Amino acid sequence: GESVGLHLPTLSVQEGDNSIINCAYSNSASDYFIWYKQESGKGPQFIIDIRSNMDKRQGQRVTVLLNKTVKHLSLQIAATQPGDSAVYFCAVLSSGTYKYIFGTGTRLKVLA
Amino acid sequence: DVKVTQSSRYLVKRTGEKVFLECVQDMDHENMFWYRQDPGLGLRLIYFSYDVKMKEKGDIPEGYSVSREKKERFSLILESASTNQTSMYLCASIVGGPGTEAFFGQGTRLTVV
Repeated sequence: GESVGLHLPTLSVQEGDNSIINCAYSNSASDYFIWYKQESGKGPQFIIDIRSNMDKRQGQRVTVLLNKTVKHLSLQIAATQPGDSAVYFCAVLSSGTYKYIFGTGTRLKVLA
Repeated sequence: DVKVTQSSRYLVKRTGEKVFLECVQDMDHENMFWYRQDPGLGLRLIYFSYDVKMKEKGDIPEGYSVSREKKERFSLILESASTNQTSMYLCASIVGGPGTEAFFGQGTRLTVV
């Protein structure tokens, strides 16, 4: 079946450095991708999305890169801040379905 | 802003109890979802609903049922709670049609003792 995996369960970065969180998916028919941030005790919050007709999208301090050839998605956070500490996970949706497939999440720890 | 509200943040129930988890969204979204979130397993879909009184099983529906009598409200029911249903439960809604952002509630952490 379809799967979505994240490469690292935990990522520690120094405050001010850039963070890169990765996600791999299995279904080549996937055409919509979202990154969510989940702080402790809260529900997931939308960060940024990208469709399969794009390979890069930028937001405020965040960039999502999509490589459809190798079915890989990444989230880049520039100048990581303590408030960025959270679990980040990707969600993948295939055309014509309502079922998102979620990754298991990477916990980002920002070191002062 | 879209708001998805779950009725409880924390619940403690006894084994065998019937448990109701309520979710309300205020943006007239057609599609609503119930997930459970467990460490190392990510979010797993229990049930979803694409319209009033319409429902479809997700990946792990066993032990659960749902109700959608009104468009804004989607209820998850644990018919007879068991300890392996201890989890974080998340409700989500999307405006309609695939390829749109899912908005999540704050989650209900359920402990079954």
